[in-house]
Amino acid sequence: AIQMTQSPSSLSASVGDRVTITCRASQGIRNDLGWYQQKPGKAPKLLIYAASSLQSGVPSRFSGSGSGTDFTLTISSLQPEDFATYYCLQDYNYPSFGQGTKVEIK
Amino acid sequence: QLQLQESGPGLVKPSETLSLTCTVSGGSISSSSYYWGWIRQPPGKGLEWIGSIYYSGSTYYNPSLKSRVTISVDTSKNQFSLKLSSVTAADTAVYYCARRRSMANFDYWGQGTLVTVSS
Repeated sequence: AIQMTQSPSSLSASVGDRVTITCRASQGIRNDLGWYQQKPGKAPKLLIYAASSLQSGVPSRFSGSGSGTDFTLTISSLQPEDFATYYCLQDYNYPSFGQGTKVEIK
Repeated sequence: QLQLQESGPGLVKPSETLSLTCTVSGGSISSSSYYWGWIRQPPGKGLEWIGSIYYSGSTYYNPSLKSRVTISVDTSKNQFSLKLSSVTAADTAVYYCARRRSMANFDYWGQGTLVTVSS
């Protein structure tokens, strides 16, 4: 099974900050990776698919990059509504999620 | 607008079988473009993919759960279902159904339903 190691597990940031979250796959997964945002009590929401494609309706401050084993989600200017938990998901071989990154208010 | 809605018992006894159904509205489950999946989340923990199904009935499951999982589809009712056998307290979770559009692209989700395993 492919393991997804996501870091950091949590971070504190201020509105307007640039935030970067990384995911590393235990083996190459091409670009078969997505990023999801989850708020308490809600279903996850797709932000990025195919590593760098922005899902329709998602603000352009969200971007994704990477291929192979190393991937990054960047929020260029953190907004109040972005405080949430973020998960990566690989779908190269039996989908598996990273452990999550909780983005909290500093 | 596509909508997915999970339904089923909120309480299941240990060793019994958990059964949930996802009803899809606003679109056809028989579209050749999509798979349909189940994902779960234990309270306070991360997400775990359980398995996925194509409208033809083709399935693939999380290897760690494969021996206990059955996913089926009923195209006449626009529904797909999850059965998880021999449940324990570790299976207590919010269970989500979702549409998989492409690789790592689960674009529509149900609201989730909490299933508690307890006697």
